[in-house]
Amino acid sequence: DVKVTQSSRYLVKRTGEKVFLECVQDMDHENMFWYRQDPGLGLRLIYFSYDVKMKEKGDIPEGYSVSREKKERFSLILESASTNQTSMYLCASSNPGTRVSNQPQHFGDGTRLSIL
Amino acid sequence: GENVEQHPSTLSVQEGDSAVIKCTYSDSASNYFPWYKQELGKRPQLIIDIRSNVGEKKDQRIAVTLNKTAKHFSLHITETQPEDSAVYFCAAGFSGSARQLTFGSGTQLTVLP
Repeated sequence: DVKVTQSSRYLVKRTGEKVFLECVQDMDHENMFWYRQDPGLGLRLIYFSYDVKMKEKGDIPEGYSVSREKKERFSLILESASTNQTSMYLCASSNPGTRVSNQPQHFGDGTRLSIL
Repeated sequence: GENVEQHPSTLSVQEGDSAVIKCTYSDSASNYFPWYKQELGKRPQLIIDIRSNVGEKKDQRIAVTLNKTAKHFSLHITETQPEDSAVYFCAAGFSGSARQLTFGSGTQLTVLP
């Protein structure tokens, strides 16, 4: 069974702090994703990575950065946390699909981040 | 880029009735349409998916239909049960793309006993 583990379920930080959210997957997946989940807005993609040291911006990358130094680990960084970054953050991983097949994304349990 | 709209945002049905959730997408190149279920406090999990070369797919009480011409797809749940209560997300994407998916805004389904 695929395991995607996020380091914290709940996190409280202060405005201006640098915040690290960690995600580890144990299935040797090539792709990893960070989403933000807000009521009424669904899952919005922040950043994704398709290989070690590779990263691509998603739909809402402003105020965030990522790091992927090892295949199994994908970190989301809030450079200077602000109150509008209070949200649920979900990490996911998958293998790449092909033109004729798809690989499902497997999600972690999420980190509920509060910025005070 | 792709834009996915999902309706309704909330849906209440009586146990045993059917539930239908609808999504539209904007990018005609999208060819993969999964549905995820997220129970309260838990992670989203894939429940069914469909590719653009298929018009309908069923898995027990769950079915998904796709209309490529109109660019919309729907989730159908029959004989609903209380354990079907959850948030359901549709998504659209292009298979083989690293980015993979754009999600809809979610539907809170409540099955009333």
